[in-house]
Amino acid sequence: DGGITQSPKYLFRKEGQNVTLSCEQNLNHDAMYWYRQDPGQGLRLIYYSQIVNDFQKGDIAEGYSVSREKKESFPLTVTSAQKNPTAFYLCASSILGQGEETQYFGPGTRLLVL
Amino acid sequence: AQSVTQLGSHVSVSEGALVLLRCNYSSSVPPYLFWYVQYPNQGLQLLLKYTTGATLVKGINGFEAEFKKSETSFHLTKPSAHMSDAAEYFCAVSLHPGGSNYKLTFGKGTLLTVNP
Repeated sequence: DGGITQSPKYLFRKEGQNVTLSCEQNLNHDAMYWYRQDPGQGLRLIYYSQIVNDFQKGDIAEGYSVSREKKESFPLTVTSAQKNPTAFYLCASSILGQGEETQYFGPGTRLLVL
Repeated sequence: AQSVTQLGSHVSVSEGALVLLRCNYSSSVPPYLFWYVQYPNQGLQLLLKYTTGATLVKGINGFEAEFKKSETSFHLTKPSAHMSDAAEYFCAVSLHPGGSNYKLTFGKGTLLTVNP
């Protein structure tokens, strides 16, 4: 089945620790996105990538880093500089350039701080 | 800049009643508009979208939405609520392709409760 997978489903971070959230897609989509979701806040864009080896900051990139070494993969690292990392993280992907930018979402990773 | 306002963070209806979830947007260019649904601890699922053409858009699970340019609205409706419709609903807007911005801007969401 084609889709987007995120792992792990739950992730615990200790103070001062960097953690990496995985996002993989087999939809052959060009673009991938990371969002952070907090209760009552909707979704806020962290980073996005339209092509391999290139990515752009979203609205709340501070304390996060990403890489896009393969078209299928877009991992997100939550660094120790992110002081309030507890949230639900959603990865999405879309095709580009065909007048169709519908984003499709993975199941999410919930990050909790110990 | 684009923005989305969802009026009502929580809407409660009885089973079988009309569902109306409101969404207003601001955009400097013709927008693409989306409604997504999220069940607890899950990702977002696309309900429907408006790009161009017919302004009344039908989606999955009996939902529909009408794009009204004069009112800058894209309200979501369903004639008869079902218990399985209980979820959080998000309205989103993106700039028309041709610009360089493919980002979605989301509203803060509306939690729909369906009472038996």
